[in-house]
Amino acid sequence: GEDVEQSLFLSVREGDSSVINCTYTDSSSTYLYWYKQEPGAGLQLLTYIFSNMDMKQDQRLTVLLNKKDKHLSLRIADTQTGDSAIYFCAESSYTGTASKLTFGTGTRLQVTL
Amino acid sequence: DTAVSQTPKYLVTQMGNDKSIKCEQNLGHDTMYWYKQDSKKFLKIMFSYNNKELIINETVPNRFSPKSPDKAHLNLHINSLELGDSAVYFCASSLHYYGYTFGSGTRLTVV
Repeated sequence: GEDVEQSLFLSVREGDSSVINCTYTDSSSTYLYWYKQEPGAGLQLLTYIFSNMDMKQDQRLTVLLNKKDKHLSLRIADTQTGDSAIYFCAESSYTGTASKLTFGTGTRLQVTL
Repeated sequence: DTAVSQTPKYLVTQMGNDKSIKCEQNLGHDTMYWYKQDSKKFLKIMFSYNNKELIINETVPNRFSPKSPDKAHLNLHINSLELGDSAVYFCASSLHYYGYTFGSGTRLTVV
């Protein structure tokens, strides 16, 4: 089955690094995604990683994938107040006829001064 | 310019009414989806259409009926609205299993 878990809340100080963790269960996932949702807004794609990669870096964002443990993390360097939002990890599954994203429970990131 | 657009952005209606939400994508994607986000921010897939054909239908009440007139449009019609239907509904599209793009959401409030 598919179940994607995240811790619900993370508080960091401005300028520090944030690490948001995610565990998933579907080992056949092809891509894993990180989305950001600001209050009252839609889902913004931040980054994604292909399942045969271990790491992907994109400016302040670093994604680490441990496929053996089915663990995904998102590191945000030099966290800013504008990074305060809910972060969702999501795994994609594709059966040949149907594809879908299964989302984690979301982690609310609070950045304090 | 908007890749996935959905209307309306806000919808307030009384219990028992019937309402529709429209979605259009101009990305040339072949698959479209409806997701529901509840008050705890949980996001769950409701439906998926591939080239106008219903592919995924999660456990959703029959009061919800999606319709895809062509592969660029996926509308959601809801009959006999209930208080528990209050949520944010997101439309999305993808090309096979890649490039998921979401609309900005429709906040439905049933009173």
